[in-house]
Amino acid sequence: GQNIDQPTEMTATEGAIVQINCTYQTSGFNGLFWYQQHAGEAPTFLSYNVLDGLEEKGRFSSFLSRSKGYSYLLLKELQMKDSASYLCAIMDSNYQLIWGAGTKLIIKP
Amino acid sequence: IAGITQAPTSQILAAGRRMTLRCTQDMRHNAMYWYRQDLGLGLRLIHYSNTAGTTGKGEVPDGYSVSRANTDDFPLTLASAVPSQTSVYFCASSRDSQETQYFGPGTRLLVL
Repeated sequence: GQNIDQPTEMTATEGAIVQINCTYQTSGFNGLFWYQQHAGEAPTFLSYNVLDGLEEKGRFSSFLSRSKGYSYLLLKELQMKDSASYLCAIMDSNYQLIWGAGTKLIIKP
Repeated sequence: IAGITQAPTSQILAAGRRMTLRCTQDMRHNAMYWYRQDLGLGLRLIHYSNTAGTTGKGEVPDGYSVSRANTDDFPLTLASAVPSQTSVYFCASSRDSQETQYFGPGTRLLVL
């Protein structure tokens, strides 16, 4: 079967660093996506990994290990506006996205 | 317009009624998608279209139909709404089926 696991909720402090993990088991792998979704809004694209390693984009970085079925999203210098849900999605062998339930990140001052 | 638009923004619908959710994109993307998002669950694919004139079934297609008469529009129809179809519906598009998907603002549907 296909399965994507993320923590349901995490809390972090403004200015700190937080790592959101995603583990997966899917039929085929054609890349892993991270999206950000603020409450009541649409998901917006953050990052894409298809090869092992770290992709850095400003305050956000995403890491992938295909052999371990594992990814993380690293957010640095947290700001209050980073309070949102973070969605992990795998593109399977049919090029369809399989979505995790998302991690709600709460930032405290 | 720029990007993807959806209409209506929200709707309350009586069970048994027919409803069409509209989605339009102006990015000339080939692929389009309909998802539903329910609390505690990941986005689930309802139907998709890899190019104008073709459609396919996703994970949860029952009770829904789609058409793709042209590149820009991808309407989703609920033939006879049921309360379990209460959800937030997102339309998305991508340049092709292997590329990043971009989402519309969503339609919040309540079926009573």
